[in-house]
Amino acid sequence: DQQVKQNSPSLSVQEGRISILNCDYTNSMFDYFLWYKKYPAEGPTFLISISSIKDKNEDGRFTVFLNKSAKHLSLHIVPSQPGDSAVYFCAASAWGNQFYFGTGTSLTVIP
Amino acid sequence: KAGVTQTPRYLIKTRGQQVTLSCSPISGHRSVSWYQQTPGQGLQFLFEYFSETQRNKGNFPGRFSGRQFSNSRSEMNVSTLELGDSALYLCASSSSPSGTGGNEQYFGPGTRLTVT
Repeated sequence: DQQVKQNSPSLSVQEGRISILNCDYTNSMFDYFLWYKKYPAEGPTFLISISSIKDKNEDGRFTVFLNKSAKHLSLHIVPSQPGDSAVYFCAASAWGNQFYFGTGTSLTVIP
Repeated sequence: KAGVTQTPRYLIKTRGQQVTLSCSPISGHRSVSWYQQTPGQGLQFLFEYFSETQRNKGNFPGRFSGRQFSNSRSEMNVSTLELGDSALYLCASSSSPSGTGGNEQYFGPGTRLTVT
């Protein structure tokens, strides 16, 4: 049972434009959400997080939006750079419990 | 500060054998979680240890087991290997138990296990 879903396996964006990666979840008890970036042959690297008491968190070029009523979160990257090309995973947890990860979205930023 | 290390990085085993993977967390981190990554399945949670105690366990058969030592290093064991166990096994460490808010997990590079 996939509690966290990333329905777009891949995304291509021109350099300088906005990249929007989406993530949906089914468990209304989730209260903490994270995004990770993964390059080939490396482990995932933490990018940005958001707790359920917020609807937006920003860190430089990365912004995460949370819509609790829709059980949806998104990651915006502005402007996109070629070095952003990687697989992006969203993850969610309920207090005191394990993290559930999505299946990932492969982002390609075209120079 | 050194990152999460996993050994070995690559492993080839035969069906029916058993395997032990090792994970050394970031110094001071007491929580270690293990994940299996396969194409199309994302990261599937195996189990988490905190202060030598298993806190959470994912939906994997009993052939998958783990333990954590007093220095927070963790091992994962898979017995009676099957072809479907071929995957990238990742461990992640954090300073507090997962899901307790405000802490992220730091991942190691993974161990690529191939079962033939």
